Parts: sequence; structure tokens; C-alpha cells
Amino acid sequence: EPEVTQTPSHQVTQMGQEVILRCVPISNHLYFYWYRQILGQKVEFLVSFYNNEISEKSEIFDDQFSVERPDGSNFTLKIRSTKLEDSAMYFCASSEGRQTQYFGPGTRLLVL
Amino acid sequence: QQQVKQSPQSLIVQKGGISIINCAYENTAFDYFPWYQQFPGKGPALLIAIRPDVSEKKEGRFTISFNKSAKQFSLHIMDSQPGDSATYFCAARSVANNLFFGTGTRLTVIP
Repeated sequence: EPEVTQTPSHQVTQMGQEVILRCVPISNHLYFYWYRQILGQKVEFLVSFYNNEISEKSEIFDDQFSVERPDGSNFTLKIRSTKLEDSAMYFCASSEGRQTQYFGPGTRLLVL
Repeated sequence: QQQVKQSPQSLIVQKGGISIINCAYENTAFDYFPWYQQFPGKGPALLIAIRPDVSEKKEGRFTISFNKSAKQFSLHIMDSQPGDSATYFCAARSVANNLFFGTGTRLTVIP
């Protein structure tokens, strides 16, 4: 069964450093999303992406964040200058259309 | 108005019992209500979902009950099993196709 994959599974970085989280969505899906989950809290929407542009973004997704689909398979989330409060589990998701969103296993980001 | 409220925060049920988790929403423009199951260290996995024009949906031991007028929906897990022990999130989809999640319910099924 096709699935969303994410790399790395864990990332430790120093405050102020840039990180890039990578996702490979399900191949025939056209809508891509990033969510985050701070430890013990709910899953929060960050951004959605369709047709090579951002469709919607939350107030969390400020100008320190960016997304890109650099090729036909990858979808990336970049955090330009990480803060301590960026420590969270980051989930990528994809959907075929206005259908079920399938989530990847997540990248656990720890900012020291 | 994009909030989804979920209760209880945690739930302990005996094996074979019924687990019930409740959610409520405000935004009447939400058009799809999925439930996700999450095991520790894993991503949320879709369990079952319902559209607001349906009052109930059943898949195996899992049932969603939906009350559109009250803006509430609930997940019932019949014959709960230890393998059902996980965190359950309700969610609601906006017109922009984004999901808004509840705060989660940690279910523990005792053998």
C-alpha cells in the first residue's frame, strides 16, 4: 500500500540553524500539507500546497518557514532560523483531492 | 471558530467494553469529520470518517455518531481490545481542505 515517507526520522539542531525536513508524498496525490505536534499536544496545521504554490497557511507558518516541491516527488519544509519552540514532531500529509489526508510517520525535531 | 473540542482527555476501559469519545465544533462550514488513531512515535492514521449529511457510520467495531444540529460527533469503539490502546484525535476539515484537530484522547484498554 502506498504511503507517505519522511526523512530524517529525528533531527537535532542548534538554535538559529536552518533545517530542512523532507517528505515523499503518495505518488498520485496533488495536495500536500505540513502539520506539527508539540509533545503531548494536538496536531496543528501549518501549511497546504497545491499546484506549486501555498494554498493556505496558519499563523504559525511565519516568514521563518518555507515549503518547496523541488522535483516531482519531494516536498520539503524549511525552517530558516530555528527557535527552541520549534521543537516538535512534524508530519507531512498528502491527499488526492478533497479526500482523505494520509500522514507520514513524522520527523522529530529537537532544537537545543 | 476553527476549534474542535474533544473529551475526555484520557479514558480507561476494560477489555470488551465500549469506549466513547466526544467532539464538538463551531464552524458550520466544516464538511468532513475524520477520526485518526495514533500510536506512540507514529503518525496519525485514518480510522473512520463521516460527512455531515449522514448521522451514523459504522465500520467493524468503530462507529461515528453525528449530530449536525448540536454540532457534535462521537466515536464508539465496541468490544474494546488492548490493541486499541492509542491516542484518538477527532478532526474537522475546512473549506480550504485543512484539518483542525481535537486535543486527543488517550485510550487504555485493560486486559
